[in-house]
This record gives sequence, structure tokens and C-alpha cells, in this order.
Amino acid sequence: SAVISQKPSRDICQRGTSLTIQCQVDSQVTMMFWYRQQPGQSLTLIATANQGSEATYESGFVIDKFPISRPNLTFSTLTVSNMSPEDSSIYLCSVEESRDTYYEQYFGPGTRLTVT
Amino acid sequence: GQNIDQPTEMTATEGAIVQINCTYQTSGFNGLFWYQQHAGEAPTFLSYNVLDGLEEKGRFSSFLSRSKGYSYLLLKELQMKDSASYLCAVRSYNTGRRALTFGSGTRLQVQP
Repeated sequence: SAVISQKPSRDICQRGTSLTIQCQVDSQVTMMFWYRQQPGQSLTLIATANQGSEATYESGFVIDKFPISRPNLTFSTLTVSNMSPEDSSIYLCSVEESRDTYYEQYFGPGTRLTVT
Repeated sequence: GQNIDQPTEMTATEGAIVQINCTYQTSGFNGLFWYQQHAGEAPTFLSYNVLDGLEEKGRFSSFLSRSKGYSYLLLKELQMKDSASYLCAVRSYNTGRRALTFGSGTRLQVQP
């Protein structure tokens, strides 16, 4: 299965600043996903990022707040812009790999963000 | 939209069997996944069901009934290390994407 790494693993940021999270995969993948997991809650999809096209955002998430880059098939970044304490969360990168009859999703280790 | 329900918390005893239920409402169903997530870690894939029936994988089994919008994860011979959150997730054709919609998760506590 694909090995996914994220940088930074955690950060503490001041409100009003921005943080860019990097996601690196050890193999080429077509589809990458960015999820958010707020404290004590489950995962919520932010956007889907395909190489060579604009990211597709879910309801409640906008490009100005969460700009995403996908320059190649092994890398993506998510920026959390103009942060507020409500953005404190774990941000997870995910990729899918094809199995015989379905696509399996793997998750990176996550970036734990605290906004003060 | 999609709606996924699972119990918030469960407690079981080491060596026992526990069943974690998940009900969902979605159109264009395209598969149900179970993930395990230990505190502070990323979710790890456990199982996938797209057809009705039981899928067995070692101590873990997952069942699906599409007509009832129902799945369960069965954990046998529970071990202390099975204490974790278990996330039910559904993929739907209608969303036009292959990402997953997750339930709120079930926090399982295994006691000695």
C-alpha cells in the first residue's frame, strides 16, 4: 500500500496567519483527498485534488480559505488561510489505490493544528 | 445527502465478541468501509463491503445488507489493543466522487 507522509506533524499558530500542509506519497496516485477531523469528531471531507485540474471543494469549504495545490502525482499541499481558533483540527491527506474490485483509501499520519 | 449512524461508545471485555452497528441512508450506494483509529493516529483500513453478506478477515468480520442500509463490524477474541474508535464510511455514486462520507465513529473500550 502507498506510504503517505505529511509535514508538519503538528503546529501551533496565531490567529490571522496561514499554514501550508504538505502531503507526499511514495507512488503515483490519481486522486488525493483532504479531510479534517475536529476534536472528538469524525472525518469531514474538505476537497478532492486531482493532478492537472482544480480541486473540488465540499459544501462549507471554499478555495479562498483552503487553497490546494496538486503539482504532480505524488504531492499536494493544503493551506489553511487566515486562521481562527475554529480551524484547530487534525488535517489528513488521503489517497486511493485500486484493488481488484474497489478503491481502497489510505490516510497520512495527519497534521495537528492548534490556533491560538 | 447521506446520513450515517453508529453508537457513540461501547464497552466490552477482553476475550469477548463485540458487534458495532452502522446504519446509513444514501442513494447510489457504492461501498461501505470500516476503519480503525487509535487515539492520536490516522485511520487504518479494516474492511470493505459492496455486496450483501459477510466478509471475514481474521478476528474481524463485516456484514452488509444493502436493502436495510445496515452494516456491522464484528470483533472476536477481543484484545486490549482493540480499544480504539471504529469508523463506518460510505461511498456513493451520486456524489460524483470517490471520497468517503464518515459516520461519527464508535469508541470501543476493552476492559480486562
